[in-house]
Amino acid sequence: EPEVTQTPSHQVTQMGQEVILRCVPISNHLYFYWYRQILGQKVEFLVSFYNNEISEKSEIFDDQFSVERPDGSNFTLKIRSTKLEDSAMYFCASSDGVARQAKNIQYFGAGTRLSVL
Amino acid sequence: GEDVEQSLFLSVREGDSSVINCTYTDSSSTYLYWYKQEPGAGLQLLTYIFSNMDMKQDQRLTVLLNKKDKHLSLRIADTQTGDSAIYFCAELSSNFGNEKLTFGTGTRLTIIP
Repeated sequence: EPEVTQTPSHQVTQMGQEVILRCVPISNHLYFYWYRQILGQKVEFLVSFYNNEISEKSEIFDDQFSVERPDGSNFTLKIRSTKLEDSAMYFCASSDGVARQAKNIQYFGAGTRLSVL
Repeated sequence: GEDVEQSLFLSVREGDSSVINCTYTDSSSTYLYWYKQEPGAGLQLLTYIFSNMDMKQDQRLTVLLNKKDKHLSLRIADTQTGDSAIYFCAELSSNFGNEKLTFGTGTRLTIIP
């Protein structure tokens, strides 16, 4: 069964360093998402991406964050200068359509745990 | 804005039914979902329901939707030890065609042998 894969599973970094979290969405999917879950808190939407541009972003997704689809298979989340409060589990998701197409199921990867020291 | 609420914990005896409840605020939500998260794993889609339905059954899972009260529940029949996990309710919201999921806090289901 196709799945969303994320690497690495755990990333440890020093405050102020740049990190890139990588995701390989399901191959025929067109819509891509990043969510995060701070320990003990809700899973929160960060950003959605379609047709090589950001569709929507939350207030969490400030100038320190960026997303990119550098090739036909990868979808990355970059945090330019990490802060302690960026420590969280980051989930990538993809879907092959939206609700009006009845193709709105978002499939999630296993997540990358980011620890900022 | 959108908000989804769930109780944090539920303990159930093996073989009994589990009922996990959720309330949401966005009356325009078209789809509502249940995801399962096992320790160290990602979010696994269990089932979903379209807002014009009031019930959906899928093997041991039954989803009930009360759209008037904005209340969603997930019933797991004959609960097994493998059902131990955190269960997240999520609603789909759409903003000019851009969609995102809003999740509840998750309910940790513990099975008592």
